[in-house]
Amino acid sequence: KNQVEQSPQSLIILEGKNCTLQCNYTVSPFSNLRWYKQDTGRGPVSLTIMTFSENTKSNGRYTATLDADTKQSSLHITASQLSDSASYICVVSGEINMKTSYDKVIFGPGTSLSVIP
Amino acid sequence: DADVTQTPRNRITKTGKRIMLECSQTKGHDRMYWYRQDPGLGLRLIYYSFDVKDINKGEISDGYSVSRQAQAKFSLSLESAIPNQTALYFCATSASDYQRGGELFFGEGSRLTVL
Repeated sequence: KNQVEQSPQSLIILEGKNCTLQCNYTVSPFSNLRWYKQDTGRGPVSLTIMTFSENTKSNGRYTATLDADTKQSSLHITASQLSDSASYICVVSGEINMKTSYDKVIFGPGTSLSVIP
Repeated sequence: DADVTQTPRNRITKTGKRIMLECSQTKGHDRMYWYRQDPGLGLRLIYYSFDVKDINKGEISDGYSVSRQAQAKFSLSLESAIPNQTALYFCATSASDYQRGGELFFGEGSRLTVL
């Protein structure tokens, strides 16, 4: 069964500290993996996308890694800020429906991050 | 102004009532989606549409229907709302070339409560 799991479920860190969020997936075949940030009361916004051949990608203070062999990804946040408080969602795209050309997208449950002063 | 706009943002209704959630977009994307978000669960796809004449069921379409009135408009209807349809609903769009990774652009959500 295609699944995306994330850990921890929630995390509280002090402003300025670093943190790492984990994503494990069983989606096969694999097309790409995205990390989205969802602020409270808002829709998710894409942070990074990684394909099979990429193992690291950065977007400012956010760095995503991908190990396609072990089917694991992580999102590392450096020097956290209060504005980083949000839910971070791992999303994996895989099997393509040849009739609709729609690549099936599986969402993880998210990790809720709280950054406190 | 938001690129993907949902109305209403919040709605409280009673069991058995018909509800329509509306979505409009200015991104010029052909593909539009309706998702449902419940606490502790990942977003789940209800329906999607790749153009005005194309409607496809997602993984949880039972109890829902959709209408693609124009390229920019995609509405979700609950014909007879029930309490377990209480959730946060998101409309999303994407460009037509899925090989680019298919980034989804979400609206700000419509919170629906069915009493």
